[in-house]
Amino acid sequence: AQSVTQLGSHVSVSEGALVLLRCNYSSSVPPYLFWYVQYPNQGLQLLLKYTSAATLVKGINGFEAEFKKSETSFHLTKPSAHMSDAAEYFCAVSLTGGGNKLTFGTGTQLKVEL
Amino acid sequence: DVKVTQSSRYLVKRTGEKVFLECVQDMDHENMFWYRQDPGLGLRLIYFSYDVKMKEKGDIPEGYSVSREKKERFSLILESASTNQTSMYLCASRTDRAGVYSNQPQHFGDGTRLSIL
Repeated sequence: AQSVTQLGSHVSVSEGALVLLRCNYSSSVPPYLFWYVQYPNQGLQLLLKYTSAATLVKGINGFEAEFKKSETSFHLTKPSAHMSDAAEYFCAVSLTGGGNKLTFGTGTQLKVEL
Repeated sequence: DVKVTQSSRYLVKRTGEKVFLECVQDMDHENMFWYRQDPGLGLRLIYFSYDVKMKEKGDIPEGYSVSREKKERFSLILESASTNQTSMYLCASRTDRAGVYSNQPQHFGDGTRLSIL
C-alpha cells in the first residue's frame, strides 16, 4: 500500500529562518507528489507538485521541494520564513495503479515566531 | 480559478439524525471526493466519484453514503449520525477521465465542521 510519512507534527522556526518540512513516501515506482497548505478555518491549497519533469519544484509563496528518488523523499523548504507562513502543511502521494486516489500524510503544523 | 463550495461551514446535529453535506464545483470536473480530517490523522478518503451516478469507496466508508445526480454536485450522507463522526469534512474535485493516473491536483472547499451531540 502506498504511504507517506511526515516527520514532525509540529515545527517551530523564527521569522527569517529556513523552513524545512519533511516528507517521505514508500514506493518502488516514482509517484506523483504534492504539497498542500491549510490556513486556519480553510480548505487545502496546492503549494506545488512533482510530476517527473524536474526534481526541484518551485511553488507559490516562495516554497520549493526537491524529489530525491534514492531517499524516497520530497521535503519542502523556504529560505526565509514569514509570519504568514504559519499553517498546517500536508504532503500527498498518488501512485501508479492508485487511480484517482491521493494518500495524505498526517500533517505538520508550522509555527513562526518573532 | 476553481471554486468548490460546501454548503455549511459549521453544523451541529444530534445522534441518530440523517445528515446531508453538500458540495458543488464550478469547473465541470469529472472527479469529486469526500474526506474527513481529524487531528493527528491527516485526511482520510471516505468516498469518491469519477462520473455522474458513479461512486467508489475510499478508506473509511462505514457509516457514510454518497450521491452524485449531477456532475457539479456531490453529497455526503450520514445515515444515522454518531458522536464518532464529529469531524471536519472536506470536499474536493479534480479534472481528468475516470480511472486515469493523474498528476492533476485536487481542489478543495473550505470544509464543514460537523459536531454530533
